Amino acid sequence: GENVEQHPSTLSVQEGDSAVIKCTYSDSASNYFPWYKQELGKRPQLIIDIRSNVGEKKDQRIAVTLNKTAKHFSLHITETQPEDSAVYFCAASMAGSARQLTFGSGTQLTVLP
Amino acid sequence: DAGITQSPRYKITETGRQVTLMCHQTWSHSYMFWYRQDLGHGLRLIYYSAAADITDKGEVPDGYVVSRSKTENFPLTLESATRSQTSVYFCASTSGGAMETQYFGPGTRLLVL
Repeated sequence: GENVEQHPSTLSVQEGDSAVIKCTYSDSASNYFPWYKQELGKRPQLIIDIRSNVGEKKDQRIAVTLNKTAKHFSLHITETQPEDSAVYFCAASMAGSARQLTFGSGTQLTVLP
Repeated sequence: DAGITQSPRYKITETGRQVTLMCHQTWSHSYMFWYRQDLGHGLRLIYYSAAADITDKGEVPDGYVVSRSKTENFPLTLESATRSQTSVYFCASTSGGAMETQYFGPGTRLLVL
């Protein structure tokens, strides 16, 4: 089955700096890559996603890049703010998998004021 | 988000007892999922369902049973709870459309003594 590895497990940045979280996946058949944000005690919520026919997608301060050849994808957050502090999860899914998502182990992002 | 609910939100039980966690969604989504979340492991899939009366095992199904007699409900039963099943349980659903976004319920915190 699919295996998703996520790095780093913790990340601290100064407010206003950029943050980058990286994930690799094992199965070249995976074609959908969402990113979820989970605040303490809350449910995971989708913040951005990308399909394998696209190399990059942006939504305001958040962007995701995908390298199919290398089988890795990254989350980029620019101009970080304290409210960006949360755990971020990447995930991968492949066509025909009944929409199953395989999640990375998460990154605790702390934005220091 | 209000379209998917879980109950109870918190549960304390004892080893060996049977426990049922409920999940209800109002979107008529075809696909529903149960995950458990433990520190250091991210979100791991327990069981999923592609439609009413169709269920299948995920990554960590042992000790759990599911059913789906109605599209909107997807209960998860721990037949004989063990301490290792202490966790936060999330239900999720998706329509199975092109972007496959999974929407999560608020979670159930389960403590097995």
